[in-house]
Amino acid sequence: NAGVTQTPKFRILKIGQSMTLQCTQDMNHNYMYWYRQDPGMGLKLIYYSVGAGITDKGEVPNGYNVSRSTTEDFPLRLELAAPSQTSVYFCASSQQVTYEQYFGPGTRLTVT
Amino acid sequence: AQKVTQAQTEISVVEKEDVTLDCVYETRDTTYYLFWYKQPPSGELVFLIRRNSFDEQNEISGRYSWNFQKSTSSFNFTITASQVVDSAVYFCALSGRGGGADGLTFGKGTHLIIQP
Repeated sequence: NAGVTQTPKFRILKIGQSMTLQCTQDMNHNYMYWYRQDPGMGLKLIYYSVGAGITDKGEVPNGYNVSRSTTEDFPLRLELAAPSQTSVYFCASSQQVTYEQYFGPGTRLTVT
Repeated sequence: AQKVTQAQTEISVVEKEDVTLDCVYETRDTTYYLFWYKQPPSGELVFLIRRNSFDEQNEISGRYSWNFQKSTSSFNFTITASQVVDSAVYFCALSGRGGGADGLTFGKGTHLIIQP
């Protein structure tokens, strides 16, 4: 039981490049989330999903896209990377009933 | 809009001292959930506790205890007899309608340093 896994762990992008952050959970959770954490700040919600095929915007969705074709996977797409997207990205999942979220190890992204 | 305030940016204590981390929240929801997470230097986020708005009983888990006071919109976290391994950033978080379907609103975190 791996929980929530994220790849890659680290990535450096040039301005204007695109990439996909991968997130997979093996707990059969319906709810999945993407957050970003900037230095000295708490986490901010980018997108979330309540089940396969259903996604919705969080607090800071601009510059990102998501899809949820399966219960297990919730990839985050960055289009036209900008320095403002330099951050640590966390994926999380939760079971509908208990609601505590379980987080992946994070992806540290630098855009230069 | 929901808001979580952790006014203490950094706290430094000597090992074995007791320490309390403050959390004040704002929400218009009548049903909500409060959480504490720990982020050690390794960077992962570790779930510590979840409390719903209808349960104001304090909770104790070993050296950790939580004081939920609805009247003051506070959910404070106390570590008794602190240890170096408690050094981490601690986040308080709030969920709203749907019990978390819209994600969590996090405070900015309190960096706790336990000196040996």
